[in-house]
Amino acid sequence: DADVTQTPRNRITKTGKRIMLECSQTKGHDRMYWYRQDPGLGLRLIYYSFDVKDINKGEISDGYSVSRQAQAKFSLSLESAIPNQTALYFCATSPGGGLETQYFGPGTRLLVL
Amino acid sequence: GDSVTQMEGPVTLSEEAFLTINCTYTATGYPSLFWYVQYPGEGLQLLLKATKADDKGSNKGFEATYRKETTSFHLEKGSVQVSDSAVYFCALSDQQGAQKLVFGQGTRLTINP
Repeated sequence: DADVTQTPRNRITKTGKRIMLECSQTKGHDRMYWYRQDPGLGLRLIYYSFDVKDINKGEISDGYSVSRQAQAKFSLSLESAIPNQTALYFCATSPGGGLETQYFGPGTRLLVL
Repeated sequence: GDSVTQMEGPVTLSEEAFLTINCTYTATGYPSLFWYVQYPGEGLQLLLKATKADDKGSNKGFEATYRKETTSFHLEKGSVQVSDSAVYFCALSDQQGAQKLVFGQGTRLTINP
């Protein structure tokens, strides 16, 4: 089984709808991250969490919110989706403690019409 | 702020050709440097990393050397294979505070048989 899973893998929604992307991990890592990938722009950090009680904004948090329900679960919400949020979204985890390597999920492809 | 710049893609090579993908960075302090690879339809996987100046990271025939004097971390492989076709991302992680990853824009590599 994959260590970092994301659901759904693909989603089509309409402008103004609220949607949630979910991430689960079995690696036992404390740190979790949400990124979006756009062609030609690499990955940009949306939010990150170092433990259940710690949530931090990343580079592009406007229009997004997150919830860290447990050590293993980190959800990303778009409260009112807009077309320029069409992108590939990745969840990642890392062990922290000076070990910076991040482990990525397979991604969720989101299309906002 | 910290940033990473990669050579523009896409890059197309023939099998067994020599590969170089350039990466330069701007950072305060002494970041760790990474190359991640994204195969079609998958999430990012760590390819190699280096944590201090003059370190060489290597994996699967790929190599990159941390050059502090030129702020570079170029990816090389002596003989590429069709299976190396993927998108390659250079990234840095500052060693202070949040230890967030900053990614370059990615370079798409296609290897023809």
